[in-house]
Amino acid sequence: QQQVKQSPQSLIVQKGGISIINCAYENTAFDYFPWYQQFPGKGPALLIAIRPDVSEKKEGRFTISFNKSAKQFSLHIMDSQPGDSATYFCAASWFGDMRFGAGTRLTVKP
Amino acid sequence: GAVVSQHPSWVICKSGTSVKIECRSLDFQATTMFWYRQFPKQSLMLMATSNEGSKATYEQGVEKDKFLINHASLTLSTLTVTSAHPEDSSFYICSAIPSSSYEQYFGPGTRLTVT
Repeated sequence: QQQVKQSPQSLIVQKGGISIINCAYENTAFDYFPWYQQFPGKGPALLIAIRPDVSEKKEGRFTISFNKSAKQFSLHIMDSQPGDSATYFCAASWFGDMRFGAGTRLTVKP
Repeated sequence: GAVVSQHPSWVICKSGTSVKIECRSLDFQATTMFWYRQFPKQSLMLMATSNEGSKATYEQGVEKDKFLINHASLTLSTLTVTSAHPEDSSFYICSAIPSSSYEQYFGPGTRLTVT
């Protein structure tokens, strides 16, 4: 049972462009929505997270947009850089029980 | 920031043997730790939730007698893969939540190869 659906599966963006990754969840009990960045052979690293009482959160080049009524949230990476090339996972959590999306492999071309 | 370590970072073992993976929270106490499994180019799949001082809670389909989890202290959880088989070869990742926090911090992972 996939509780968090993530798209696209892969994304290619030119340097300086905007990368957008979308996620949708089913369980309305989820109350914490983080995004993780993972490089090959490494563990996921927390990038940015949002709670459902906020519609948007920005940290540097990374922004989460959250639509509670649609049960959707997205990650926007502004001014994408080659160093951003990694796999990104959205997740949804309830009392620490975290479910991950399938992941998006982002490639930023120089 | 909160740091989680894993040891070893990679291990090769022969089929039929057991291997233990350690997960430590270095600068915080964690009453709850999680163990995930990740196959190449796939997402993280939760295997079990480990609570200090109590039995782990396993996800459906995960054999608790094969994947033994011990959370003996607030900073250490171990995963033992017993009677390992080649199909157990995977990337095992642990995570921990500091007390009174929602944020889950991940370890660097352990690459297990069973020959």
